[in-house]
Amino acid sequence: DAKTTQPNSMESNEEEPVHLPCNHSTISGTDYIHWYRQLPSQGPEYVIHGLTSNVNNRMASLAIAEDRKSSTLILHRATLRDAAVYYCIRGRRNTPLVFGKGTRLSVIA
Amino acid sequence: NAGVTQTPKFQVLKTGQSMTLQCAQDMNHNSMYWYRQDPGMGLRLIYYSASEGTTDKGEVPNGYNVSRLNKREFSLRLESAAPSQTSVYFCATLFETQYFGPGTRLLVL
Repeated sequence: DAKTTQPNSMESNEEEPVHLPCNHSTISGTDYIHWYRQLPSQGPEYVIHGLTSNVNNRMASLAIAEDRKSSTLILHRATLRDAAVYYCIRGRRNTPLVFGKGTRLSVIA
Repeated sequence: NAGVTQTPKFQVLKTGQSMTLQCAQDMNHNSMYWYRQDPGMGLRLIYYSASEGTTDKGEVPNGYNVSRLNKREFSLRLESAAPSQTSVYFCATLFETQYFGPGTRLLVL
């Protein structure tokens, strides 16, 4: 039970921003929101994680709703190399993560 | 800094054969994990080791055994391989969040 809800698939045009939504309405106060992605034939790759505040790093931004029941992963400028399955996972710090099926992102040139 | 490494990358077995999947990490993390991923599915936890000398079952442990040889190495053994164990196997460590290896693709005929 991954305890998050994501769309099965999304499509984006190259060089445009992508907003990947995630619903985690039953999140507890100590749960972090983690985002990973998995490129074809590779292991899951850490993207970003946060607790309450919005977070930015070199790969992406994470926008967390004020009530923490949803979040959005933002890729500022999609490239073909960003085509992957993106997983939104809620979990406590330092505990193993439960992966669902994620969102398959296609990027169109 | 190699991170998490796995060997072999690919293996073909006949039903009933045995093999050991190797995992090593150079990040000095205490916790290590073995997952399997079937086509179109998320990751399922097989076994984990919270620290050197300890191991525990995950969601799908049947047909597998593990050994935490030292802090760096965590191996997964299939004593008598079955076609249902055809999958991609990922090793991971945990420190605040998880770090994954590149995977071992196993085909059991």
